[in-house]
Amino acid sequence: DVKVTQSSRYLVKRTGEKVFLECVQDMDHENMFWYRQDPGLGLRLIYFSYDVKMKEKGDIPEGYSVSREKKERFSLILESASTNQTSMYLCASSFNSGREQYFGPGTRLTVT
Amino acid sequence: RKEVEQDPGPFNVPEGATVAFNCTYSNSASQSFFWYRQDCRKEPKLLMSVYSSGNEDGRFTAQLNRASQYISLLIRDSKLSDSATYLCVGENQAGTALIFGKGTTLSVSS
Repeated sequence: DVKVTQSSRYLVKRTGEKVFLECVQDMDHENMFWYRQDPGLGLRLIYFSYDVKMKEKGDIPEGYSVSREKKERFSLILESASTNQTSMYLCASSFNSGREQYFGPGTRLTVT
Repeated sequence: RKEVEQDPGPFNVPEGATVAFNCTYSNSASQSFFWYRQDCRKEPKLLMSVYSSGNEDGRFTAQLNRASQYISLLIRDSKLSDSATYLCVGENQAGTALIFGKGTTLSVSS
């Protein structure tokens, strides 16, 4: 079974803090993704990576950056957290483009 | 036209009912389609892939209509445990990433 884990289930941060969200997958998948999910807006792609040290912007990259130093790990960074970044953050991985994605349990981030 | 669009519902059905969801997509060249299920406050989980010839998994049937650019999910003999949000997935216009619909909420009652 594919396993995608995320570093925290719940996180509370203050405005202006730097926030790191970590994601690890154990299936040697090439592609990894970060989404945020908000009521009424569905899943929105923030960034994705199709190889180590490679990254591509998704639909809403503003205010975020990512890092992929190892194949199994993909980090999402909020350089200076703001209240409008309060959301559920979901990491996913897939074998390659066009293949099904497997999701981690999500991190519910609250920025106060 | 949105890349992947589905009726948000909610669909409220009694146990044992048959319910069908449709989802339209805009990328006519799209090759990959899926249905995911998401329970409240949980992550989306793959329910089934959608193949050109259609596919069935127990009470669930998925179909693809390329001419009209929609995919469908049919659930027969609904169970209480089928209550969830069902996400339709296709490819973005560039064919570089999957696009998730906003989901259709199903509530099955006894």
